[in-house]
Amino acid sequence: DAKTTQPPSMDCAEGRAANLPCNHSTISGNEYVYWYRQIHSQGPQYIIHGLKNNETNEMASLIITEDRKSSTLILPHATLRDTAVYYCIVKAQGGSEKLVFGKGTKLTVNP
Amino acid sequence: NAGVTQTPKFRVLKTGQSMTLLCAQDMNHEYMYWYRQDPGMGLRLIHYSVGEGTTAKGEVPDGYNVSRLKKQNFLLGLESAAPSQTSVYFCASSPQGQGDTNRGNQPQHFGDGTRLSIL
Repeated sequence: DAKTTQPPSMDCAEGRAANLPCNHSTISGNEYVYWYRQIHSQGPQYIIHGLKNNETNEMASLIITEDRKSSTLILPHATLRDTAVYYCIVKAQGGSEKLVFGKGTKLTVNP
Repeated sequence: NAGVTQTPKFRVLKTGQSMTLLCAQDMNHEYMYWYRQDPGMGLRLIHYSVGEGTTAKGEVPDGYNVSRLKKQNFLLGLESAAPSQTSVYFCASSPQGQGDTNRGNQPQHFGDGTRLSIL
C-alpha cells in the first residue's frame, strides 16, 4: 500500500472550513483513499473514502486531484467537536486486511 | 444498535497474569480485527478474522491469541501478560475485508477501546 504524508498539526476557527491535505504520490490505480479520525480517548471513526472521483457525505467532502497524487479532506463548517487526529490511509483493493495508520494530522478547532 | 462493544474498558494486571478481552458487534459483520495503539503511534494490527472459526496474524501477533467461535464475538487473549503489552486495544469490524475485489472499500467500525496496564 502506498505511503501517505500529512502535516502533523493544523488549526481552524470554529465555523470555518477545515481543509486537511494528504500527499500520496506513489498511489497506484487500484488504491482507494480513506479518511478516519480519532477523537481523544475514542476509537477511530470512518469519515469518507474515494477512488478518483470527488466524494461528499454528511460529514465531509473528499477532493482527489486528477493525477490522484494528493487529496484534501474538507470539513465545511468545523465545530469544536471536530478537534481530533485525522488519518489519511491508502488501501489497495485485493490487498491485505491491514489498515496502516500513520501519525495523522492533529486538527484543533478554536472558538 | 450498539455497534462494536469492548469489555472491559479498563484493566490493570500484574506481569504473568492472563486475561481475555471481549469484542462484540451487532452489525452482522464478517470481518473483525484487533489493534493496539501505543503513545505517539498509529494503530497496529494484532490479529484479524475473516469469518466465524477463522483467525489470521496481523503485524504484531506475538504474545496474543484470538478466537472467533461466534460470528458476533472476537476474543483477544493474553496468556502471560508482560509490561510491553501495556497499551490501548481497539477492536473493529467490517462487512467485508478491505481486500474483496467487488467491494474492497468497506470501512472498519471501531469500538472505544480497552485500556490495559501491566505492572
